[in-house]
Amino acid sequence: QQPVQSPQAVILREGEDAVINCSSSKALYSVHWYRQKHGEAPVFLMILLKGGEQKGHEKISASFNEKKQQSSLYLTASQLSYSGTYFCGTDFSGAGSYQLTFGKGTKLSVIP
Amino acid sequence: GAVVSQHPSWVICKSGTSVKIECRSLDFQATTMFWYRQFPKQSLMLMATSNEGSKATYEQGVEKDKFLINHASLTLSTLTVTSAHPEDSSFYICSVTNIQRGSNQPQHFGDGTRLSIL
Repeated sequence: QQPVQSPQAVILREGEDAVINCSSSKALYSVHWYRQKHGEAPVFLMILLKGGEQKGHEKISASFNEKKQQSSLYLTASQLSYSGTYFCGTDFSGAGSYQLTFGKGTKLSVIP
Repeated sequence: GAVVSQHPSWVICKSGTSVKIECRSLDFQATTMFWYRQFPKQSLMLMATSNEGSKATYEQGVEKDKFLINHASLTLSTLTVTSAHPEDSSFYICSVTNIQRGSNQPQHFGDGTRLSIL
C-alpha cells in the first residue's frame, strides 16, 4: 500500500525551511528518502530504521516515528539546489531495499 | 563516480519494435537489480526484481512476456520491451543495491531511459 506524502508541492524562498511528511497505514521497518531532479535519476538521501532514529546530512535531516508510522524530512535554510521531487520509499516487510514502495512525491521549488 | 550505468538514455521508435535497455553495476557485483517505471509527474513503480542466474520476480500486473528481463552476469541486467506500443512510452529506471552490506542499503539508480513509441 503506497505511503502518503504531504504536501504534494511546496514553494520556498532561499533560506526558508520545509517539512515533508511520509505516512503509512501499515507498520514500517524502515523509510528511505530520495530526491529526483527533473529528467534525472533519483538520488539517495538517507535511510531511517525503526527506533525513532533521527538522521542528518548537512541541512537536511529526517526522523522516523514508529508509533505514528510516519517519517518526516526537514530541510533547513533551503538552497536553490534543494529543488526537486522528494520521494519516500517504505519497507513494510523487513526486506529493506529489496521491496520498497514509493510515495507519489513532493515537489519542492526553491526560488531566489 | 557513477555506480550504475544505464543505456540508452533516449529511444524513439515505431510501434511494434522491441527495445532493449541495459543496466550495468560499475562498483560492485549485483546479484539483484531492480527495474522501475515512472510516468510523468508520478511515482516510481517497481516492475520487477532481476536475479542473477534465475528468473526475475515480477510485480503484480506486469506482463512477463512483454517485459523480458535477463540478468546473465553479476554486473549486467537487461530489460527488453517486446513489440512496444505507444502506451509503453515511459521513463524506465534501473537500480542496484549492495546487498552484501545488508538489506538496508541505498539503491543506486541509473540515469534512466526515456522510451517514446510512435
